[in-house]
Amino acid sequence: DQQVKQNSPSLSVQEGRISILNCDYTNSMFDYFLWYKKYPAEGPTFLISISSIKDKNEDGRFTVFLNKSAKHLSLHIVPSQPGDSAVYFCAASSSSGSARQLTFGSGTQLTVLP
Amino acid sequence: DVKVTQSSRYLVKRTGEKVFLECVQDMDHENMFWYRQDPGLGLRLIYFSYDVKMKEKGDIPEGYSVSREKKERFSLILESASTNQTSMYLCASSLLGHGTDTQYFGPGTRLTVL
Repeated sequence: DQQVKQNSPSLSVQEGRISILNCDYTNSMFDYFLWYKKYPAEGPTFLISISSIKDKNEDGRFTVFLNKSAKHLSLHIVPSQPGDSAVYFCAASSSSGSARQLTFGSGTQLTVLP
Repeated sequence: DVKVTQSSRYLVKRTGEKVFLECVQDMDHENMFWYRQDPGLGLRLIYFSYDVKMKEKGDIPEGYSVSREKKERFSLILESASTNQTSMYLCASSLLGHGTDTQYFGPGTRLTVL
């Protein structure tokens, strides 16, 4: 039973355009959400996060939107650059969980075409 | 600067061998985690620890054990390696406490079991 779902395994976008990566969750106890980026043969690196008390968080070219009623979050990258090509994982946690475990989605491979 | 290191980047072992994967963090984090990453399955939690000598099972603990004798070090042990344990293994650490869910990852160990 996947509690965090990324339904698009891959996404291709032209350089300079907007990339939108989507993530859905089923567990209503999740109250903190994160996005990680992963290059091949490297560990994931933290990108941006959002608490459930907010509906938007912005950091430079990256913006995360949270729609609690729809149990949906999205990551917007504007403008997209070739160096953004990587696998993006969304993750979620609950304050009721122990040791602040993260539940990860299956990832979306983003390819930014020059 | 946050640093998580893993003992090997690439490892090749034979079926039935005992395998040790080591992880060290220098951030004085209480929580440490072991994941495996497989294509299409995202990151799956094997074990985690929230304190020295404490451990808890994650989603897929079968065939694995862990050891945490010092705060900075968390070891993953494959008691008798099998071919279905061929995977990318990722270690992560985080601070204890609400709102500090960001996990910092090591570079990963690509394990091949023949």
